[in-house]
Amino acid sequence: GENVEQHPSTLSVQEGDSAVIKCTYSDSASNYFPWYKQELGKRPQLIIDIRSNVGEKKDQRIAVTLNKTAKHFSLHITETQPEDSAVYFCAAGSSGGYNKLIFGAGTRLAVHP
Amino acid sequence: DSGVTQTPKHLITATGQRVTLRCSPRSGDLSVYWYQQSLDQGLQFLIQYYNGEERAKGNILERFSAQQFPDLHSELNLSSLELGDSALYFCASSVAMGGNEQFFGPGTRLTVL
Repeated sequence: GENVEQHPSTLSVQEGDSAVIKCTYSDSASNYFPWYKQELGKRPQLIIDIRSNVGEKKDQRIAVTLNKTAKHFSLHITETQPEDSAVYFCAAGSSGGYNKLIFGAGTRLAVHP
Repeated sequence: DSGVTQTPKHLITATGQRVTLRCSPRSGDLSVYWYQQSLDQGLQFLIQYYNGEERAKGNILERFSAQQFPDLHSELNLSSLELGDSALYFCASSVAMGGNEQFFGPGTRLTVL
């Protein structure tokens, strides 16, 4: 069945370092890949997304890359700050058929001052 | 604020009881999704409605049911509650089906005692 694997499950970095989270999906029909940030007890918030016709997208300190051939995509956060500490979820979805998003298990990122 | 509203914010009830969670999507959004998030867990997709019709089902228990009304608000009904049903229940909405960003509500925290 459809599956999204996310690694690592926890990530600890020093302030100013970069953080990379990787996801792999199984459904070749997937063409939409959002990333959500969830702070403790709060709702997931979309931080960046990428569609399959694009290989890379950047928004300030955040970038996402997509390799459709290998079915994996990654989130890159540069110059991390303590406020980046949260759980990050990747997801994969498609614009045809049953269009639910399949979420990865999440990565708990801790940025230490 | 995502524009998606959920009520109630908190719900405490006993095993065997039945509860109804309510969600109002963003203005103009036709699709509503329900997710369950247990403590320190990922987002488990439950069910999706589009313009009043069920479109996709995930790992939703038979004790759970949902519907979307003509005004597009949605309700998730949980019956014969068990301790393991304690979780955060999120509703999300999007303009159309899949391939489009989903906006999450603040969630309803259900505690079953």
